[in-house]
Amino acid sequence: RKEVEQDPGPFNVPEGATVAFNCTYSNSASQSFFWYRQDCRKEPKLLMSVYSSGNEDGRFTAQLNRASQYISLLIRDSKLSDSATYLCVGPSGGGADGLTFGKGTHLIIQP
Amino acid sequence: NAGVTQTPKFRVLKTGQSMTLLCAQDMNHEYMYWYRQDPGMGLRLIHYSVGEGTTAKGEVPDGYNVSRLKKQNFLLGLESAAPSQTSVYFCASSRDYPRPSGANVLTFGAGSRLTVL
Repeated sequence: RKEVEQDPGPFNVPEGATVAFNCTYSNSASQSFFWYRQDCRKEPKLLMSVYSSGNEDGRFTAQLNRASQYISLLIRDSKLSDSATYLCVGPSGGGADGLTFGKGTHLIIQP
Repeated sequence: NAGVTQTPKFRVLKTGQSMTLLCAQDMNHEYMYWYRQDPGMGLRLIHYSVGEGTTAKGEVPDGYNVSRLKKQNFLLGLESAAPSQTSVYFCASSRDYPRPSGANVLTFGAGSRLTVL
């Protein structure tokens, strides 16, 4: 089983709507997670870190639910420019160092 | 500030040919990584380096070799290319090595698209 798993989508959302998607993880000891954004045919770029207390940056909110072992990303007032693939990133399994990437959730904001 | 630069951006090879992808970073990062990204597979780590002169295997190292002779450069080599190595290759670097409790950021290069016929 992959360490982090995401619904690949696509999520088709009208502009201005709120959208949320989750990423489940298997290693209960994991403490740090990230959301990266990847535009079509571009490199991944860090969107935000996910802290146990939650993290908010403008229209974006990331949260960690340890009890159910998932992290979430909420986007409010979605813009056309939010269309991208969002990668969930967490620690590698077994206590080893390193990161493992989810396969990504594809988001399409429609005008 | 260039960040992470990969060359070449595109390359077409025939089966059995060899080539080297070059990654250069100007952020004085200790750690460097090579990933490949395939449809439906996500990013998979090929090899990584924790400092000048060091290399280590990642998740999918077979068919690739790497070298880190200078801190700023990390080379990925294919000695005998195979169609299964058709992929988009990303180099990345970080100041610190990702740890379970850490808050580390990877900076990626723009990618190198390799097609093996």
